[in-house]
Amino acid sequence: GEDVEQSLFLSVREGDSSVINCTYTDSSSTYLYWYKQEPGAGLQLLTYIFSNMDMKQDQRLTVLLNKKDKHLSLRIADTQTGDSAIYFCAESMSSASKIIFGSGTRLSIRP
Amino acid sequence: DTAVSQTPKYLVTQMGNDKSIKCEQNLGHDTMYWYKQDSKKFLKIMFSYNNKELIINETVPNRFSPKSPDKAHLNLHINSLELGDSAVYFCASSPEGGRGYEQYFGPGTRLTVT
Repeated sequence: GEDVEQSLFLSVREGDSSVINCTYTDSSSTYLYWYKQEPGAGLQLLTYIFSNMDMKQDQRLTVLLNKKDKHLSLRIADTQTGDSAIYFCAESMSSASKIIFGSGTRLSIRP
Repeated sequence: DTAVSQTPKYLVTQMGNDKSIKCEQNLGHDTMYWYKQDSKKFLKIMFSYNNKELIINETVPNRFSPKSPDKAHLNLHINSLELGDSAVYFCASSPEGGRGYEQYFGPGTRLTVT
């Protein structure tokens, strides 16, 4: 079946790197995503990676994919207070199929 | 502003009532969605429409009826509201042409059933 799991909370010091981890069960997942939800707002697509890639970097964001272990991670370098949000890992089989979301990881930043 | 918009932002109503939530996107997208986010932030797709046609219909009670008058609008009507319907409902849209994975979300409608 389809399942995406993430830890619920992560606390990091401002300026440090944050690493949010995710595991998924569907080996036919083709697209893997990270969405960000700020308080009282909708979800914002941060980045995505195709299953034939191992890594994707976009400014402070680095996505790593271990397809063998079905493990996805999001690294945020130099974490800032504005990065405080809930981060959702998600997957889909194709660009047209439904997206399955994880439960979200709440990232909080310590001064 | 180009965006996905929803009305109302907050909706408080009593059990048994019927209510509607409206969604509009001016991004020129072909596909629109409704998601439900519960109190634990768990987000699950309910429906998806492509060019006014229903393409995804998850196991949602038939008290929920989506309606798409045109490809820029997807409304959600809920009959006989129950306490368990309390949640935040998000509308989203995505383009076609191989970029259907780029979903743009509205700000959400917080529904509280008392």
